[in-house]
Amino acid sequence: AQSVTQLDSHVSVSEGTPVLLRCNYSSSYSPSLFWYVQHPNKGLQLLLKYTSAATLVKGINGFEAEFKKSETSFHLMKPSAHMSDAAEYFCVVSDGNFGNEKLTFGTGTRLTIIP
Amino acid sequence: GAVVSQHPSWVICKSGTSVKIECRSLDFQATTMFWYRQFPKQSLMLMATSNEGSKATYEQGVEKDKFLINHASLTLSTLTVTSAHPEDSSFYICSAPTAISYNSPLHFGNGTRLTVT
Repeated sequence: AQSVTQLDSHVSVSEGTPVLLRCNYSSSYSPSLFWYVQHPNKGLQLLLKYTSAATLVKGINGFEAEFKKSETSFHLMKPSAHMSDAAEYFCVVSDGNFGNEKLTFGTGTRLTIIP
Repeated sequence: GAVVSQHPSWVICKSGTSVKIECRSLDFQATTMFWYRQFPKQSLMLMATSNEGSKATYEQGVEKDKFLINHASLTLSTLTVTSAHPEDSSFYICSAPTAISYNSPLHFGNGTRLTVT
């Protein structure tokens, strides 16, 4: 069985300061991990994904995430927050058998940017 | 890039009626599509896997007779909420991979907000 735990349901940061959204995973296989962003009443947009290549993954909009097997973590980071980053972020795991067929979503972290 | 189109984006219906939601892959063929449900301020829960030309696979606890899925072509899957009730009000999102291969990206529709009065 696979699961992800997003440690913070809500994160608030000031514009221009770093962002850290935390995610821990559990998987029986070598996992594939993803971060998706969802703006209000919208679908999901893939920010980045880890698929057993480089442990530091760079994504869109200046986001990056680091896969740490020893800590079973896949935290999402951005050096400088922008107002447009305000949204809901989901950490997602897919087991290694079928790649993307079944995704398990975390409960989400709502990111608020303070002007 | 690959696009998944979902229609309608929002719908309001009366209790007891049925609502059909469409999910189309616009520039690629999708033999598999996924339907998710998202309650307010909660995460996405997989409801079912739609398979072109065969029956859908439903997750545990999802009523297949209530949530009818049809995947009649390589670019279209539909979810019909039959005899809708207020508790069916939710945000429904579909997704499709661009290819059935290890870690091919999933593309999500923009979702359909269903409100049952």
